[in-house]
Amino acid sequence: QVQLVQSGAEVKKPGASVKVSCESSGYTFTNYAIHWVRQAPGQRLEWMGWINAGNGDTKYSQKFQGRVTFTWDTSASTTYMELGSLRSEDTAVYYCARGAYNSGTYYHLDFWAQGTLVTVSS
Amino acid sequence: DIVMTQSPDSLAASLGERATINCKSSQSVLYRSDNKNYLAWYQQKPGQPPKLLVYWASIRESGVPDRFSGSGSGTDFTLTISSLQAEDVAVYYCQQYYISPFTFGPGTKVDI
Repeated sequence: QVQLVQSGAEVKKPGASVKVSCESSGYTFTNYAIHWVRQAPGQRLEWMGWINAGNGDTKYSQKFQGRVTFTWDTSASTTYMELGSLRSEDTAVYYCARGAYNSGTYYHLDFWAQGTLVTVSS
Repeated sequence: DIVMTQSPDSLAASLGERATINCKSSQSVLYRSDNKNYLAWYQQKPGQPPKLLVYWASIRESGVPDRFSGSGSGTDFTLTISSLQAEDVAVYYCQQYYISPFTFGPGTKVDI
């Protein structure tokens, strides 16, 4: 069965970086994209971008451009989200989710991981 | 960016009653070339990740009970729970995936 499993909770100081991993199993990793979505306490879901696990192409939300990087390791069926220059407003649960794509068009998110809480505090 | 709005913010209904959630996008999410609305609905229960319920505005995801149905086109969409069950208590989000950034609505909290 399809599973996405993320790394554990992180506590970081303002200005630091955090790297969250997302390991996929139960499907052909390179046939899908992985999206990253975050949810600050009591807030709506916020889409951060995607990485195409087939070719490594990425798309970032303008809000995070320059501060976030998605990478992937096909041998480990794992994707990574690194967010830098952290501030208190980045405290949130970060989710990875699988999404299909076809000919450059990206679709809905059909499987989600359990989420990783990132706390930014001095 | 496409702005997604939802109404109501929250609703409470009795077991077995119908619940209706509305979602509106600031521009059409209907892609003319394939005649599909790039709109999904998700359910999120406390402490859990979101779960896909409906995609292409009206296609129920495999395993989702048939009391959940999606409708609408263009800019106006609806998620209907035909007979509310206790396990449906959750927050429901719509999301457009027509154009990046793939924005979400603010959510509608459903209670019994």
